[in-house]
Amino acid sequence: NAGVTQTPKFRVLKTGQSMTLLCAQDMNHEYMYWYRQDPGMGLRLIHYSVGEGTTAKGEVPDGYNVSRLKKQNFLLGLESAAPSQTSVYFCASKGLGNQPQHFGDGTRLSIL
Amino acid sequence: GEDVEQSLFLSVREGDSSVINCTYTDSSSTYLYWYKQEPGAGLQLLTYIFSNMDMKQDQRLTVLLNKKDKHLSLRIADTQTGDSAIYFCAEYDNFNKFYFGSGTKLNVKP
Repeated sequence: NAGVTQTPKFRVLKTGQSMTLLCAQDMNHEYMYWYRQDPGMGLRLIHYSVGEGTTAKGEVPDGYNVSRLKKQNFLLGLESAAPSQTSVYFCASKGLGNQPQHFGDGTRLSIL
Repeated sequence: GEDVEQSLFLSVREGDSSVINCTYTDSSSTYLYWYKQEPGAGLQLLTYIFSNMDMKQDQRLTVLLNKKDKHLSLRIADTQTGDSAIYFCAEYDNFNKFYFGSGTKLNVKP
């Protein structure tokens, strides 16, 4: 009964380092999303995907890249981390139609 | 993008009712959602309402929708300390994107 799994759960990076956050879902959902959550600002959409092999920009895409090579996985990459990217990152997935999103537990990322 | 607004804080006593309010801007939204986030965890879906409904009740939860005023509320009856969390409302834009409010932190005092 895994649902949406995010790895890693915590990470500390230095400015300029790169890393990839992994999101995996086992519900055969078409749509997947990456959000960042900052205090007092709710969730802001970074990128999303409407199916395997597709990606699209959200509200705050700058500094991030994504890939959806397999339907069950959605990767979020930071090529050159900046302190402004310190945040909690959430992945979500949803099925077709007006189905609600299912969220992972988040990745807490600090960039020094 | 769409604008979804919530008040930031609400404090109630255990056993009282809590009412969390939300306003949204997209009149074409078909579904509106309420999520709960406990410390250190992801968002958990509580309930949702279709835009052609005025009210939905689910055990201690009552959702009211005023489509004319674009106002959504979540009432929690007999609020318990375990209900302390951040509550988010979200609207769906029918183009596969969701827009979230900034969240209302509910504090339940024993």
